[in-house]
Amino acid sequence: KQEVTQIPAALSVPEGENLVLNCSFTDSAIYNLQWFRQDPGKGLTSLLLIQSSQREQTSGRLNASLDKSSGRSTLYIAASQPGDSATYLCAVRPGWETSGSRLTFGEGTQLTVNP
Amino acid sequence: NAGVMQNPRHLVRRRGQEARLRCSPMKGHSHVYWYRQLPEEGLKFMVYLQKENIIDESGMPKERFSAEFPKEGPSILRIQQVVRGDSAAYFCASSPIRDGEQYFGPGTRLTVT
Repeated sequence: KQEVTQIPAALSVPEGENLVLNCSFTDSAIYNLQWFRQDPGKGLTSLLLIQSSQREQTSGRLNASLDKSSGRSTLYIAASQPGDSATYLCAVRPGWETSGSRLTFGEGTQLTVNP
Repeated sequence: NAGVMQNPRHLVRRRGQEARLRCSPMKGHSHVYWYRQLPEEGLKFMVYLQKENIIDESGMPKERFSAEFPKEGPSILRIQQVVRGDSAAYFCASSPIRDGEQYFGPGTRLTVT
């Protein structure tokens, strides 16, 4: 059974800092991995999707890496801003044909960027 | 192109009533997924549907919960005889193909009193 763990559970940083959020998963047979952002009381916004054959994806100040063999992904946020404050979720899709297309989520990292 | 739409956004039901949650996928998307987020917990997969078919319902509670995605109209998640433990945020996602990127709706927050 796939399990996804995110560390730390909460993080508070001053504005302008570069930071790294970690995600680990127990079964390396994944199809892809997605990072999402969730604002309080809101839905999920997809930030980056990394296919299992890729090592990293970049979008603006965000960079996500994937090391499938060790079951790890990191989300790097450069020059953090107060508007980045949210909960960041990591989710993996299994690579087995019979599993359907469900995503398995971690419990998230709650990020606060202080002005 | 409008995003995934869910309604109602907030739903209050008394114990024993029925709850119906609706999800309209993005235009051109025929794959719908339902997830549940219990208070202080992560999102958990419930069910995956294509038009008129349930593909994977392994995350659905065995009783009281059902889902459908008819040929016309939105996908419906139905909870019969709600209990307090059903209070949660229910999210719907859609994708254009089976293994495509999933786009999430804003969620329906169900409160059972």
